[in-house]
Amino acid sequence: KQEVTQIPAALSVPEGENLVLNCSFTDSAIYNLQWFRQDPGKGLTSLLLIQSSQREQTSGRLNASLDKSSGRSTLYIAASQPGDSATYLCAVKWDSGYALNFGKGTSLLVTP
Amino acid sequence: GAGVSQSPRYKVAKRGQDVALRCDPISGHVSLFWYQQALGQGPEFLTYFQNEAQLDKSGLPSDRFFAERPEGSVSTLKIQRTQQEDSAVYLCASSLVGSGTYNEQFFGPGTRLTVL
Repeated sequence: KQEVTQIPAALSVPEGENLVLNCSFTDSAIYNLQWFRQDPGKGLTSLLLIQSSQREQTSGRLNASLDKSSGRSTLYIAASQPGDSATYLCAVKWDSGYALNFGKGTSLLVTP
Repeated sequence: GAGVSQSPRYKVAKRGQDVALRCDPISGHVSLFWYQQALGQGPEFLTYFQNEAQLDKSGLPSDRFFAERPEGSVSTLKIQRTQQEDSAVYLCASSLVGSGTYNEQFFGPGTRLTVL
């Protein structure tokens, strides 16, 4: 079965820390992987999209890596800020099918 | 606006009522997706349209759920005889094409459905 898992489910860090969010997937036949941010009561904001042929993508303080062979992706957030507090979702599009398959998310709290 | 819009943002229905949820995708986007997000969970796929064609409806949980996109732009998700387990946030997403480089999905704010 194709599954996406995110660890940890929740994370609390003090402002200024660098942190890593983890995503694992059971099938290496992925088309792409997307990281999203979701604020309470809001929709999803796309952060980074990594195609299967890529190893990483960067946007500002965010860096996402992809290792298909090990079935893992990480989202690295540098110099965290209270405004980074949100739920971060990892989603995989497999080679087969059209939809994104989501993990349950990591709830991040950055304290001042 | 430039993004995906959904209406209504909030809907309260009595059990047994029918509801209709609307999605306006980004102009020119070929692909449109509906997802259901239960509290504390990630979104789960419901159905997919490429233009007006519904190519995948494998995620629809029952025959009470029906989606359409008759002119290849606006889409409506209809739920008949709502049940309490239908309470969730319904998210719509669109992408420029279904495959290839420009296939990033952009999400709307969602419709929060509460069935009493």
